[in-house]
Amino acid sequence: EVQLVQSGAEVKKPGESLKISCKGSGYSFNSYWIAWVRQMPGKGLEWMGIIYPGDSDTTYSPSFQGQVTISVDKSINTAYLQWSSLKGSDTAIYYCAKHEGIAVPGEVAYWGQGTLVTVSS
Amino acid sequence: QSVLTQPPSVSGAPGQRVTISCTGSSSNIGAGYGYDVHWYQQVPGTAPKLLIYGNNNRPSGVPDRFSGSKSGTSASLAITGLQAEDEADYYCQSYDSSLSGVVFGGGTKLTVL
Repeated sequence: EVQLVQSGAEVKKPGESLKISCKGSGYSFNSYWIAWVRQMPGKGLEWMGIIYPGDSDTTYSPSFQGQVTISVDKSINTAYLQWSSLKGSDTAIYYCAKHEGIAVPGEVAYWGQGTLVTVSS
Repeated sequence: QSVLTQPPSVSGAPGQRVTISCTGSSSNIGAGYGYDVHWYQQVPGTAPKLLIYGNNNRPSGVPDRFSGSKSGTSASLAITGLQAEDEADYYCQSYDSSLSGVVFGGGTKLTVL
């Protein structure tokens, strides 16, 4: 059974750093893109960026380039999303997502359960 | 402003048919083969669920009341025989060659009257 299990909810202060995780199981982790998707309170889905675990090739949405870092540890089938200095506007639910597709990322049949990040002084 | 444009809301009575549009451009939906449209259903407080993939394919377990289509730079999701449980947010998704990344529509809230 394919599963993406994310780390738990976080409460942080502005300016703090944070790294959240997404552990994949039940499939060949190295062979499928993993993306991160933001959902701010009451808002829609925003695609942040993607990593291909096999070669760590990473692409960011222009809106998130320079704001976050996506990485992967193939040895433990885990992808990460990190911030060096959080802002209040980073308060959101963050989902990891396993993209299907060969030439380009396609549909997402499997999602993590979401990680709520709250940034408040 | 999302790259893919959806109506903010649609509504319908139980048993009726509703459609949700998703309008893109020549760099995403209209870019040709491989630039498929996928649709997701999200009930508040839960992760999105894949509803339609590859423009018009339903994953196992999705009722055939849900169907998708694509033409030119637009796509549509149709829901027939509306049920109360269909009340949710719906998102379209594609790939954009100019951005070299995935794009979502802004989402459409479906209300079952």
